[in-house]
Amino acid sequence: DTGVSQNPRHKITKRGQNVTFRCDPISEHNRLYWYRQTLGQGPEFLTYFQNEAQLEKSRLLSDRFSAERPKGSFSTLEIQRTEQGDSAMYLCASSDRDRGQNEQYFGPGTRLTVT
Amino acid sequence: GENVEQHPSTLSVQEGDSAVIKCTYSDSASNYFPWYKQELGKRPQLIIDIRSNVGEKKDQRIAVTLNKTAKHFSLHITETQPEDSAVYFCAADDYKLSFGAGTTVTVRA
Repeated sequence: DTGVSQNPRHKITKRGQNVTFRCDPISEHNRLYWYRQTLGQGPEFLTYFQNEAQLEKSRLLSDRFSAERPKGSFSTLEIQRTEQGDSAMYLCASSDRDRGQNEQYFGPGTRLTVT
Repeated sequence: GENVEQHPSTLSVQEGDSAVIKCTYSDSASNYFPWYKQELGKRPQLIIDIRSNVGEKKDQRIAVTLNKTAKHFSLHITETQPEDSAVYFCAADDYKLSFGAGTTVTVRA
C-alpha cells in the first residue's frame, strides 16, 4: 500500500495520560499535515511540515500537543495530559508541494477516545 | 485566516437527479479548491479539484465551478447513484486546507 498510513487506528486512554500517534506519508511527499476532525465537522488544521521543518502551528494546538518529523519522513503527534475534549479523529495528510502539486492525500486517521 | 462556508448541510435527492453543493471563501489568496468525499468511518477522499486560473472542471458525473470574483465555488453531481451517498467537504487552500462543515448527501433509490 503506497498511501498514507497511520497508527494506531484507535486509541482509548484515560484522562491525564500521554498518547503518541504516528503517520507515514506517501513516499517522497515533502509536506505532511495534521488535522483534527470531530463528529459532524470538517477537518481542522493543526500543523504542517515541509521536510523536517515545522512551518506552522494552529492556535488549536495547545502546549500539550507536540509534533515532530525528525528525518523528513514519518511524523509523530504527541498529546500530553489528555483531556476529554481531545477526543477526536486525528488525520494526517501529505502532498508533493515541491513539484507544484497541491493535492493532499489523507490517511485513515487515529480515533482517540479519552475516558 | 481563511473561512469557508458550505451549504446545504444536508441534501436528499432521488436517484438519477442532480445534487449541487455551494461554498464560499474569504481569503482572496486561496488559489486551489479541492472537494473531498468521506464515507462513514473512512478517510476523506479527493474527488475533484480546481485551481484559481480555471472556471470549470468536469470529471464524468462530477463538475466543479469557481467564481473568483464572488469567492464561491460549487460541486455538481449529475445522475446520482446510491454510492454517491456520503459527506462531502469543500476546502480552500492557501498552503493549508480550510474545510467547510460538510454536506451529508443521501441518494434515495
